[in-house]
Amino acid sequence: AQSVAQPEDQVNVAEGNPLTVKCTYSVSGNPYLFWYVQYPNRGLQFLLKYITGDNLVKGSYGFEAEFNKSQTSFHLKKPSALVSDSALYFCAVRDMNTGNQFYFGTGTSLTVIP
Amino acid sequence: DAGVIQSPRHEVTEMGQEVTLRCKPISGHDYLFWYRQTMMRGLELLIYFNNNVPIDDSGMPEDRFSAKMPNASFSTLKIQPSEPRDSAVYFCASSPSPGLAGGKQYFGPGTRLTVT
Repeated sequence: AQSVAQPEDQVNVAEGNPLTVKCTYSVSGNPYLFWYVQYPNRGLQFLLKYITGDNLVKGSYGFEAEFNKSQTSFHLKKPSALVSDSALYFCAVRDMNTGNQFYFGTGTSLTVIP
Repeated sequence: DAGVIQSPRHEVTEMGQEVTLRCKPISGHDYLFWYRQTMMRGLELLIYFNNNVPIDDSGMPEDRFSAKMPNASFSTLKIQPSEPRDSAVYFCASSPSPGLAGGKQYFGPGTRLTVT
């Protein structure tokens, strides 16, 4: 079955430190992987995606994510966290084999501590 | 492009009333998705359409919920009758086909529904 797992409900990191938000996936075939961010009272905004090519994908606001096929992971990273990065982060996979549906993780709440 | 447009942004209604949420997807997108977000259940896919045809409505909670897409530029999600447990933020999203740069989703700002 297709699924996305975000094992951490909450991640806290000090401002200026590197951050990682974890995501693993399970999907048949080659995955299309996405990260979205949601600020309070807003819709989800696209951060970055992996379709093919280089395993390290760079996205908006200095975020990047690394696709690891052997570990079926797509962790979101940023070298130096900002207080303004505090938000809810969703990992998603688009399954090309079953109607192109999107599957979202449960979300990880990131808090960057000044 | 104005992005995905949803209306109303906020809706407060009494239990038993009919509620209609509206969505205008981005022009040229052939997929449209309806989601519901609550603190308890997170983000749930309710239904999605491809070229105006419903593909998967298994996420629709019960018969009180219905969704239509009469044309490529408009979709509605209707709840009749509404109940307090329907209170949530409802998001509409659209995307192009996956072949077009992976087909990322674009989300609307959401409709915050409160049923009293």
